[in-house]
Amino acid sequence: EPEVTQTPSHQVTQMGQEVILRCVPISNHLYFYWYRQILGQKVEFLVSFYNNEISEKSEIFDDQFSVERPDGSNFTLKIRSTKLEDSAMYFCATGQGANYGYTFGSGTRLTVV
Amino acid sequence: QKEVEQNSGPLSVPEGAIASLNCTYSDRGSQSFFWYRQYSGKSPELIMFIYSNGDKEDGRFTAQLNKASQYVSLLIRDSQPSDSATYLCAVKAGNTPLVFGKGTRLSVIA
Repeated sequence: EPEVTQTPSHQVTQMGQEVILRCVPISNHLYFYWYRQILGQKVEFLVSFYNNEISEKSEIFDDQFSVERPDGSNFTLKIRSTKLEDSAMYFCATGQGANYGYTFGSGTRLTVV
Repeated sequence: QKEVEQNSGPLSVPEGAIASLNCTYSDRGSQSFFWYRQYSGKSPELIMFIYSNGDKEDGRFTAQLNKASQYVSLLIRDSQPSDSATYLCAVKAGNTPLVFGKGTRLSVIA
């Protein structure tokens, strides 16, 4: 079964450092998403990406965050200057179409110290 | 603000029983409804989706939707210890992203 691949699986970074989280979507999926889940809390939407541009973003997705698809296959989330409260599990998800469910990657656990 | 509400649980059922998980949502424009299973420390895994009022069955799982009451449920028949997980209800309206509830933790006791 096709998978969404995320790297790294775990990243520890110092506060104020930049991190880049990477995702390889399922090849025929057109819609890409980043969600995050703080420990013990719900899965929260960050940003959606379609046709090489952001289609929607949440209040969480401020100027410290950016997304891009640098080479037509990878999909990345960059956090420019990490804060302690950015510590969470970050999930990449992809979908075939607007009304379909999403397939989630295995996640990147980001720990900011 | 679009809200999806679930009882956090834990819901404990004996092995072989029916587990009933419930979810309400606030956005009347919601059109697509999904149930995900999330094991501790893992990513959400899609198990069911439903678009129309009524019931939809897939193996031991049945999703039920009542748009008038803004209510969606998941029944798990013949519950197994391996079904022990957190079940996430997620709701979608048109092209907007999935909105998740906080999830209900299910514990199936052998």
